[in-house]
Amino acid sequence: DTGVSQDPRHKITKRGQNVTFRCDPISEHNRLYWYRQTLGQGPEFLTYFQNEAQLEKSRLLSDRFSAERPKGSFSTLEIQRTEQGDSAMYLCASSLPGAGVTFTEAFFGQGTRLTVV
Amino acid sequence: GIQVEQSPPDLILQEGANSTLRCNFSDSVNNLQWFHQNPWGQLINLFYIPSGTKQNGRLSATTVATERYSLLYISSSQTTDSGVYFCAVEGEYGNKLVFGAGTILRVKS
Repeated sequence: DTGVSQDPRHKITKRGQNVTFRCDPISEHNRLYWYRQTLGQGPEFLTYFQNEAQLEKSRLLSDRFSAERPKGSFSTLEIQRTEQGDSAMYLCASSLPGAGVTFTEAFFGQGTRLTVV
Repeated sequence: GIQVEQSPPDLILQEGANSTLRCNFSDSVNNLQWFHQNPWGQLINLFYIPSGTKQNGRLSATTVATERYSLLYISSSQTTDSGVYFCAVEGEYGNKLVFGAGTILRVKS
């Protein structure tokens, strides 16, 4: 098991372009989370999946952001019509579920650093 | 939603010194984790500690859930301990970790 894997590690794009990031969770983890981190701040929750079901997406920053996990394994995060304010580190995490709605220890990938120019 | 406050925001230590980082949270939690963010941005798991005390080498952590705080102790600090330390909690209604703003630690040789 190699942990949570994210691709690409870095992405530079021009304003207005679409970008897509990929996350491969730890293999037996059925919960997957996306976070965004801007400079000097802690990570901010965006959305999460349990298997292929997206259970909370209210924190997705605008309708330009969307996430999928079609087969309950890897996930993609897409940003359409990128803006300079989208420049940030995008982090993916995975975990096992706990009792009820809770979950066990979460593990993070290396992140994708997006720069919009 | 749940609020997480970390203190101090910045800490500068001489190599070999000890330190205590604090995390206060505003409501009951199911889950609490401490992370170290390395210079490349990766979050390294230090402790999964919803309650009680754990130790791992020079690091230890204590969470007093009834009083809504957690402490991370670093003993005999090394320059490689430098970085940002985050506390993150899962509130009572679950679903996600909420992060504090972090403590920036700089260890000088």
